[in-house]
Amino acid sequence: DIQMTQFPSSVSASVGDRVTITCRASQGISQGLSDWLAWYQQRPGKAPKLLIYGASSLESGVPSRFSGSASGTDFTLTINSLQPEDFATYYCQLANSFFPLTFGGGTKVELK
Amino acid sequence: QVQLVESGGGVVKPGGSLRLSCEVSGFTFRDYYMTWIRQAPGKGLEWVAYIGSRSSFLKYADSVKGRLTISRDDAKQSLYLQMNSLRAEDTALYYCGRIDRDRDSGYYVDYWGQGILVTVSS
Repeated sequence: DIQMTQFPSSVSASVGDRVTITCRASQGISQGLSDWLAWYQQRPGKAPKLLIYGASSLESGVPSRFSGSASGTDFTLTINSLQPEDFATYYCQLANSFFPLTFGGGTKVELK
Repeated sequence: QVQLVESGGGVVKPGGSLRLSCEVSGFTFRDYYMTWIRQAPGKGLEWVAYIGSRSSFLKYADSVKGRLTISRDDAKQSLYLQMNSLRAEDTALYYCGRIDRDRDSGYYVDYWGQGILVTVSS
């Protein structure tokens, strides 16, 4: 099975900073399946919320400071100009038909 | 609006059984894949099982295969998780989720319940 490794596991940042989180697949993903990746935000005590799907498409209602990209086996979530409400834990999730719903270990974004 | 409400959680002894329910509203339930995802205390998200629309197929994580069973009742707009032979490592917050495959056929969980706690302890 494919494993999704997220790094860093935690990051300390300040309001206004740019934060980048990476998710790496343990093995190559076929070209046709490589865009099926999602990113979720989970605030303490709350259910996860879908932010990005298709590796780079923004979910409706999600601020444009969130963006996603893909390159080979690496997937990146970038948060530009971090806001107070963005301090949370972020998860990637492989979403293709062969390995659906495989989550990364999570990255906690904390206040510096 | 879309709502998913879990129920049925609680404390159970190792080897015991529990049945979780998830009642949904605000969308045509029978048209959607559904899933259970769990989160152990202080840990990350772990997919448990999913079921296709109209119970077309089922798939389970290896860690629960043979012990947990996902099912659905489209008439009652409800999703279920029958949990047998429970172990301490099954202790977690269990979320039901709607899988939206209309975007690009990917498996994206676009709506989540609030979660229900299952504690397996003697």
